[in-house]
Amino acid sequence: AQKITQTQPGMFVQEKEAVTLDCTYDTSDQSYGLFWYKQPSSGEMIFLIYQGSYDEQNATEGRYSLNFQKARKSANLVISASQLGDSAMYFCAMRDTGSARQLTFGSGTQLTVLP
Amino acid sequence: EPEVTQTPSHQVTQMGQEVILRCVPISNHLYFYWYRQILGQKVEFLVSFYNNEISEKSEIFDDQFSVERPDGSNFTLKIRSTKLEDSAMYFCASSEWDTDTQYFGPGTRLTVL
Repeated sequence: AQKITQTQPGMFVQEKEAVTLDCTYDTSDQSYGLFWYKQPSSGEMIFLIYQGSYDEQNATEGRYSLNFQKARKSANLVISASQLGDSAMYFCAMRDTGSARQLTFGSGTQLTVLP
Repeated sequence: EPEVTQTPSHQVTQMGQEVILRCVPISNHLYFYWYRQILGQKVEFLVSFYNNEISEKSEIFDDQFSVERPDGSNFTLKIRSTKLEDSAMYFCASSEWDTDTQYFGPGTRLTVL
């Protein structure tokens, strides 16, 4: 069964600093995809970044990068140069071949960026 | 940039009433999804839809739920007889392929009184 674990319910970071949000996953499949979504207080779900299990390079999208450690089954999100607008809930999610059409989400991490 | 849209943004209904939540997926996408998020909890998968039929559904998606693509652009979720525990944010999502990134709409907040 799939499982996504986000162990940090809340995180604080100073503006302009980098922050790492943790995500570990559990799957027996070899082919899977990992996603991070941002949910601001307004409620929408914004796609940030994707990492495929066969991708050799860590994914990057602007200030977001994914620290993918396959052997440890972790897919941590790194946000560089934090901005006040980064304050939001961040969800890690996974899709694997056993359920290709659905995402399984973690419980989320509430990030607060301090001025 | 194309985006998923949802209407209404907020719906208030009485317990036992039927509600229809509407979504317009991104135009070239073929796979459509509904998820829900009860306040303060994680996002949960409800159903996926492809080629005018349900491809996967979760245990949450029982007989009171149904989905439909009534025309070439809309994708709807119907809840036949709402219960208090149906109060949640309902997200529609779409993807070009089943293994592609899913893009979410802004959500409909359903409040059942």
